[in-house]
Amino acid sequence: KQEVTQIPAALSVPEGENLVLNCSFTDSAIYNLQWFRQDPGKGLTSLLLIQSSQREQTSGRLNASLDKSSGRSTLYIAASQPGDSATYLCAVEGFSNQFYFGTGTSLTVIP
Amino acid sequence: DAGVIQSPRHEVTEMGQEVTLRCKPISGHNSLFWYRQTMMRGLELLIYFNNNVPIDDSGMPEDRFSAKMPNASFSTLKIQPSEPRDSAVYFCASSTGVGELFFGEGSRLTVL
Repeated sequence: KQEVTQIPAALSVPEGENLVLNCSFTDSAIYNLQWFRQDPGKGLTSLLLIQSSQREQTSGRLNASLDKSSGRSTLYIAASQPGDSATYLCAVEGFSNQFYFGTGTSLTVIP
Repeated sequence: DAGVIQSPRHEVTEMGQEVTLRCKPISGHNSLFWYRQTMMRGLELLIYFNNNVPIDDSGMPEDRFSAKMPNASFSTLKIQPSEPRDSAVYFCASSTGVGELFFGEGSRLTVL
């Protein structure tokens, strides 16, 4: 069964710093990998989707990379802002159309 | 599109009562998922449908839980009878089958 791990579980950085969130998965047979953001009391908002044939996706200050062979993805956030404070989750979609989620990284950006 | 729509947003009920959560997926999406999120266990998949057919319900905790998808634009998750340990946020999500997953805002259930 696919297992998805996110490290660290929590991260606190000063405003303006660049940061990297990590996601690892055990089975490389995936359709895609997706990064989500969740604010307290809210649903999950999709940030970036990387298809299995792609290596990376960018949206504004966010850049996500995918290395299927090593079972890893990173989410890079440039010039962090207090508004980036949230929990970030990654999910991989397997060939059975199931999505497997990590437990998330709780990010706090200190003004 | 209005996104995935869930109702009610909040539900407070007493133990033993029936609870029904509702979901309207994004139009054109043929896969629908029900998740439960708690602090202790994170995000858990309860059941998912493809083209209105339940594909995997192995995450449904027990027989008190049931889910239906009578058509492509509506699904329900029912708990009968409810118990305090069912208190959680229940999310509905939909996708096109191979692609981006979109979540609703969730239904926060409290069972007293």
